[in-house]
Amino acid sequence: QKEVEQDPGPLSVPEGAIVSLNCTYSNSAFQYFMWYRQYSRKGPELLMYTYSSGNKEDGRFTAQVDKSSKYISLFIRDSQPSDSATYLCAMSLLPVISNFGNEKLTFGTGTRLTIIP
Amino acid sequence: ETGVTQTPRHLVMGMTNKKSLKCEQHLGHNAMYWYKQSAKKPLELMFVYSLEERVENNSVPSRFSPECPNSSHLFLHLHTLQPEDSALYLCASSHRPGTGDYEKLFFGSGTQLSVL
Repeated sequence: QKEVEQDPGPLSVPEGAIVSLNCTYSNSAFQYFMWYRQYSRKGPELLMYTYSSGNKEDGRFTAQVDKSSKYISLFIRDSQPSDSATYLCAMSLLPVISNFGNEKLTFGTGTRLTIIP
Repeated sequence: ETGVTQTPRHLVMGMTNKKSLKCEQHLGHNAMYWYKQSAKKPLELMFVYSLEERVENNSVPSRFSPECPNSSHLFLHLHTLQPEDSALYLCASSHRPGTGDYEKLFFGSGTQLSVL
């Protein structure tokens, strides 16, 4: 069983729709959860960072963590063609601010999203 | 641009060639990373350098050899690669953890490597 499962898509939705992207994980010790966005021919860029369970909102983006179900989601409201990208979830056991926490990140395989004008 | 520059953008090499990938960061960071991204697989961490000292090596084959001459530059030297090494190689940088905030990773655009 993979540590982190993410539906690779591709996912196509019309402009303006609400998009839901999800990851499930097997290690209940994960505490820190991230979403990265990767445009074609570019490297990933951090979109959202959350700790433990709950919601975090940033503009049109909402990250949701349900630790009891080992399930995280990213919602995109009023989706735009510029949101077309691959979205990667990532998670870690330790706070990333701890000693070299970035190398402890476990990534999903990414979901390829296309927003149709 | 994220402030992390990788060259070349594309590389085709034979299995007997020797080549190097270069990464340069202009962000004042002191930790640098090499990741491998293959189709339908998660990002795989290969190497971590902090203050020019290697601190992580995730059982990467010896045909990949990293070098970090200073905190702004990172190289990945390649020799006698295999076709399964074909992938996107991403460089990233961050502040050394402990500076008080989440240490966000900044990625370059990667080198798309094809091994024939």
